Amino acid sequence: ELKVEQNPLFLSMQEGKNYTIYCNYSTTSDRLYWYRQDPGKSLESLFVLLSNGAVKQEGRLMASLDTKARLSTLHITAAVHDLSATYFCAVARGTGNQFYFGTGTSLTVIP
Amino acid sequence: GAVVSQHPSRVICKSGTSVKIECRSLDFQATTMFWYRQFPKQSLMLMATSNEGSKATYEQGVEKDKFLINHASLTLSTLTVTSAHPEDSSFYICSARASRYNEQFFGPGTRLTVL
Repeated sequence: ELKVEQNPLFLSMQEGKNYTIYCNYSTTSDRLYWYRQDPGKSLESLFVLLSNGAVKQEGRLMASLDTKARLSTLHITAAVHDLSATYFCAVARGTGNQFYFGTGTSLTVIP
Repeated sequence: GAVVSQHPSRVICKSGTSVKIECRSLDFQATTMFWYRQFPKQSLMLMATSNEGSKATYEQGVEKDKFLINHASLTLSTLTVTSAHPEDSSFYICSARASRYNEQFFGPGTRLTVL
């Protein structure tokens, strides 16, 4: 059974600070995705990581993938209030490209 | 980018009735569609995978007779919750994938409330 765990589950941080969210998964995969979800809404795609060592950056967010360690990170630089949301990682498995989602990290950025 | 729609966005029904949710890929042909369920403040749980023209594959613990999935065309999949009960109340999200994409595109979700 594939397990995808994120930590922390809850994160409260002040504006301007940096922090990293971790996503660990239990079996082999070389495709990992990060999404943002606002309350009552569906998912917004943030990053698609398709190979070991992949690093992508968009604004204040940067994601990386280490397939050997089965670990992905989402780094937040100089957080702003607009980044408050729940962040999910998802690991792709199987011939059908099924996604298995992490537990989610609820981020609150305090002004 | 690829767009996926869902209808309805919100539905309230009485216990024992059936509810159909539609998922459409608007600007691409989806070889595979997926259905997820999300309870409040929890993660998304994959319910089933459907390929056009074939039977859906259900995840362990998901009752296929209760959650009927039909993927009749390359742009439409439906999820029917049969004999709905209050514990079926949830946020149902579909996604669609075409073979040329390395990712899934998610619909806006359907909030189901069973009274």
